[in-house]
Amino acid sequence: GAVVSQHPSRVICKSGTSVKIECRSLDFQATTMFWYRQFPKKSLMLMATSNEGSKATYEQGVEKDKFLINHASLTLSTLTVTSAHPEDSSFYICSALWGFSGNTIYFGEGSWLTVV
Amino acid sequence: AQSVTQLGSHVSVSEGALVLLRCNYSSSVPPYLFWYVQYPNQGLQLLLKYTSAATLVKGINGFEAEFKKSETSFHLTKPSAHMSDAAEYFCAVTSRGGGSNYKLTFGKGTLLTVNP
Repeated sequence: GAVVSQHPSRVICKSGTSVKIECRSLDFQATTMFWYRQFPKKSLMLMATSNEGSKATYEQGVEKDKFLINHASLTLSTLTVTSAHPEDSSFYICSALWGFSGNTIYFGEGSWLTVV
Repeated sequence: AQSVTQLGSHVSVSEGALVLLRCNYSSSVPPYLFWYVQYPNQGLQLLLKYTSAATLVKGINGFEAEFKKSETSFHLTKPSAHMSDAAEYFCAVTSRGGGSNYKLTFGKGTLLTVNP
């Protein structure tokens, strides 16, 4: 199957700093990528939909100024957590849609963010 | 609006026994349905998907699921559980739209434990 890679897999940052997580589709072009957040022993919560060349669409309750999403190319989307706080600590997972009218979404390995 | 209900947050089976993980969906339009597996501290791996072709879908690792429109169900089964099947399983639904309309709505997950 298609491969989606996230980097870094684990990151620790100090409170008040910003941290960037990258999501790459390695063997296909993804016009649409999705960013999820997962709390321990919980399901995935969709944060935003990232579209190549346009602004991301955020889900209700997600602060767009805090969670900056950029989809600069057909193979790369980035999530930047700005002014991070301990409550932002979580597992962040991206996924990429394969094909414009495709019907399969592939997920990255996830990134653990710990804010201290 | 779409939703997914996974009955049973935790299912425990013996090695070699039948695995049955339940998923019921709600969708106002014909759905696409997916099962994903998540191992600890990892992203999601696609097990199988239903996209309006055959109602009995075979996936990886010996899993299969049957789409039953009359019951709005998409239960996941495996005839004989293996220790390596122990993981969290998520059922997901989306509508048959393209691009950014292709959002996955996840169930809360079912933790499968396999006992020796």
